Amino acid sequence: GQNIDQPTEMTATEGAIVQINCTYQTSGFNGLFWYQQHAGEAPTFLSYNVLDGLEEKGRFSSFLSRSKGYSYLLLKELQMKDSASYLCAVRGDRGSTLGRLYFGRGTQLTVWP
Amino acid sequence: EAQVTQNPRYLITVTGKKLTVTCSQNMNHEYMSWYRQDPGLGLRQIYYSMNVEVTDKGDVPEGYKVSRKEKRNFPLILESPSPNQTSLYFCASSPGLAGMNEQFFGPGTRLTVL
Repeated sequence: GQNIDQPTEMTATEGAIVQINCTYQTSGFNGLFWYQQHAGEAPTFLSYNVLDGLEEKGRFSSFLSRSKGYSYLLLKELQMKDSASYLCAVRGDRGSTLGRLYFGRGTQLTVWP
Repeated sequence: EAQVTQNPRYLITVTGKKLTVTCSQNMNHEYMSWYRQDPGLGLRQIYYSMNVEVTDKGDVPEGYKVSRKEKRNFPLILESPSPNQTSLYFCASSPGLAGMNEQFFGPGTRLTVL
């Protein structure tokens, strides 16, 4: 099966930096996605990693280590609007998993003033 | 505007009354998918479709049906809804299965089955 783990909840203060970790054990790998989801809304795409290393996009960065089955999402200069659930998803690469996204349960981030 | 639309957005129904949730995308995407999201369980895939007339079961297909007769539409059918199908449902589409082809999500349908 596909197993994607991430912490359930995290809290941080405005202006701080927070790192949300994701570990995965999957039968195949064809990329890792991070999505942001505000309560009651649709998930929206944040970042994509398929090779090892860091991808930076403004205040958000995402890191991948395929050998360790590990990724993190780094959020800098936190703002109140960053309070949301952050979803880690791994895409399958073969057979019945080809193209499918397997999601972790999400990390609920609360940013305090 | 490029988007995925779902209807209805909210629905309260009773056990056993057949219903259909529509999903449409205007981006000419080949890949479409249905998910349900429940507290503490995350997003779980119900069915997906790689192209017209090609559909496959996801991880939680029991009690659901889908069809893909046109590229843009991917309706979700509940023939005999039960209370355990009360959930938040998302339709998604993607232009491809590799590379940075993320899935675009519809706004969601909140279904309550009494």
